[in-house]
Amino acid sequence: EAGVTQSPTHLIKTRGQQATLRCSPISGHTSVYWYQQALGLGLQFLLWYDEGEERNRGNFPPRFSGRQFPNYSSELNVNALELEDSALYLCASRAGANVLTFGAGSRLTVL
Amino acid sequence: GEDVEQSLFLSVREGDSSVINCTYTDSSSTYLYWYKQEPGAGLQLLTYIFSNMDMKQDQRLTVLLNKKDKHLSLRIADTQTGDSAIYFCAESSSASKIIFGSGTRLSIRP
Repeated sequence: EAGVTQSPTHLIKTRGQQATLRCSPISGHTSVYWYQQALGLGLQFLLWYDEGEERNRGNFPPRFSGRQFPNYSSELNVNALELEDSALYLCASRAGANVLTFGAGSRLTVL
Repeated sequence: GEDVEQSLFLSVREGDSSVINCTYTDSSSTYLYWYKQEPGAGLQLLTYIFSNMDMKQDQRLTVLLNKKDKHLSLRIADTQTGDSAIYFCAESSSASKIIFGSGTRLSIRP
């Protein structure tokens, strides 16, 4: 069984640009979570999608947005990039028991 | 709001036991988790415990939960160099809220 896959692995952008990160959940998982892990910090919850709908959102500005597609894959968009958006963005999918399975992450660097 | 706290660093000698501690504030937590993150990688689920359990053991790993004090610990017996990683404690009371601590960086001394 394939795990959670994320792309790209690395992304370099400049301030003011937009970044798009992608996530494919484990087959059969309908929930996708996005977390931001800035250098030296823990995981900050960004977004939760389930069955194509945004179900919950963390304390991030509106320029962080996303969507979930009918095949349950998901996209995270970050507009008007700022230097402090540089981080590892982790996607996770969930089956039962509230257990999250994480992908390897997409490292975004903003110059 | 809900919070999960962990100490940032732990150093142990190879072969000793490691004990990583975590405290949380949400009294309605139903699941508590331990995840491991190796350098450059995502998070790997090590184990989880339901809030109605006191202890869970899985090979070298032992999880202890003190629900009254909202304290969770992870003991790694016979710590090896491959156990070097960041260990995250997390809790959830519902599917919408899975909150992580800042992680404890475990380093192993020869």
